[in-house]
Amino acid sequence: EDQVTQSPEALRLQEGESSSLNCSYTVSGLRGLFWYRQDPGKGPEFLFTLYSAGEEKEKERLKATLTKKESFLHITAPKPEDSATYLCAVNSGGSNYKLTFGKGTLLTVNP
Amino acid sequence: DGGITQSPKYLFRKEGQNVTLSCEQNLNHDAMYWYRQDPGQGLRLIYYSQIVNDFQKGDIAEGYSVSREKKESFPLTVTSAQKNPTAFYLCASSQRGDGGELFFGEGSRLTVL
Repeated sequence: EDQVTQSPEALRLQEGESSSLNCSYTVSGLRGLFWYRQDPGKGPEFLFTLYSAGEEKEKERLKATLTKKESFLHITAPKPEDSATYLCAVNSGGSNYKLTFGKGTLLTVNP
Repeated sequence: DGGITQSPKYLFRKEGQNVTLSCEQNLNHDAMYWYRQDPGQGLRLIYYSQIVNDFQKGDIAEGYSVSREKKESFPLTVTSAQKNPTAFYLCASSQRGDGGELFFGEGSRLTVL
């Protein structure tokens, strides 16, 4: 069974204080790893897809990286508007249509 | 603007009542999904549909039903058989049927009184 573990559960940063969120996964055959951002009371918003170890994707202050066992979401010089829950999900070879989601990391950036 | 519209945003139901959550998309996506989100848990898949008139159960389909009569619409009925229906329900769609890059609606919060 696919498993996704995100850490930490919650992270509080000061504005400008860079850090990383972790997503560890166990899958039978990775077809893709996905990062989403979710604001309170809203639906998740797609950020990145990573397919193979060594791949990196960037968007503004966010950079996602992938190894064979985990993915990191690096946040450089965060701003208060980056505060949200960040979700990681994997799509394995076991099912084409199902994502397994982690529980998320709640990021709070204080001004 | 293209997107996914869920309604209602908030819904209250008495025990023993069925309720239907609406999900409409104008993205011309073939695949649509229903997820349930509970505090402290990851999103869990209820049902998904790859094409019109076809749908499959996800991990937690018991107590739920769906239909896919039109490409744009994928309503979810929460029946009285669902033992713990209070949750945040999310509808999503994807251009490809691999469940990856999902576009989500704003969600519907169901509370059973």
